[in-house]
Amino acid sequence: DAKTTQPPSMDCAEGRAANLPCNHSTISGNEYVYWYRQIHSQGPQYIIHGLKNNETNEMASLIITEDRKSSTLILPHATLRDTAVYYCIVRVAGVNDYKLSFGAGTTVTVRA
Amino acid sequence: NAGVMQNPRHLVRRRGQEARLRCSPMKGHSHVYWYRQLPEEGLKFMVYLQKENIIDESGMPKERFSAEFPKEGPSILRIQQVVRGDSAAYFCASSYQGLNSYEQYFGPGTRLTVT
Repeated sequence: DAKTTQPPSMDCAEGRAANLPCNHSTISGNEYVYWYRQIHSQGPQYIIHGLKNNETNEMASLIITEDRKSSTLILPHATLRDTAVYYCIVRVAGVNDYKLSFGAGTTVTVRA
Repeated sequence: NAGVMQNPRHLVRRRGQEARLRCSPMKGHSHVYWYRQLPEEGLKFMVYLQKENIIDESGMPKERFSAEFPKEGPSILRIQQVVRGDSAAYFCASSYQGLNSYEQYFGPGTRLTVT
């Protein structure tokens, strides 16, 4: 009963924007969308999260559709070091929200 | 990943031996989480601890696995009588807050190989 659906893989050219889609059609009103990434042989790294407004930080931008059923993580200028598995996770912000559930994610390969 | 330390990074054990994995949380963090990543799979939650307390161990196998987070020192994940199926990457994460934490900071992981 996966709460999110992501494409298994995608390629991106270095220097171009990478747009990573995520479907979460059953998201509840109190659930946030989180993005983590895992570079090979490292622990997951938090990227960004949002509820319903678009968010931007130094790493990425998160665009959430108005109905909140899908979102897109944008890496504005992908570099080779952005090659990683990217996980989209839906979490309730509150009691019992500590169990991060990582699915298969999207394997992003940035090519020179 | 900066700040959460795990050791050893790689651990090889023969079947039947014990494995001890250590995790030092980020400075100021008192909440620790352990996750396991089997080959070709995503991370799965195992246990959530605060200092001297196990808050949630619902993801821990019922036998051979235990975890602690003493008042002083690192958190320890202990696997007794290891079997080949225990071979995996074990990740520790920490947070400042617990039940309402928004970010968990992960360590580099310990890769356990059981021969």
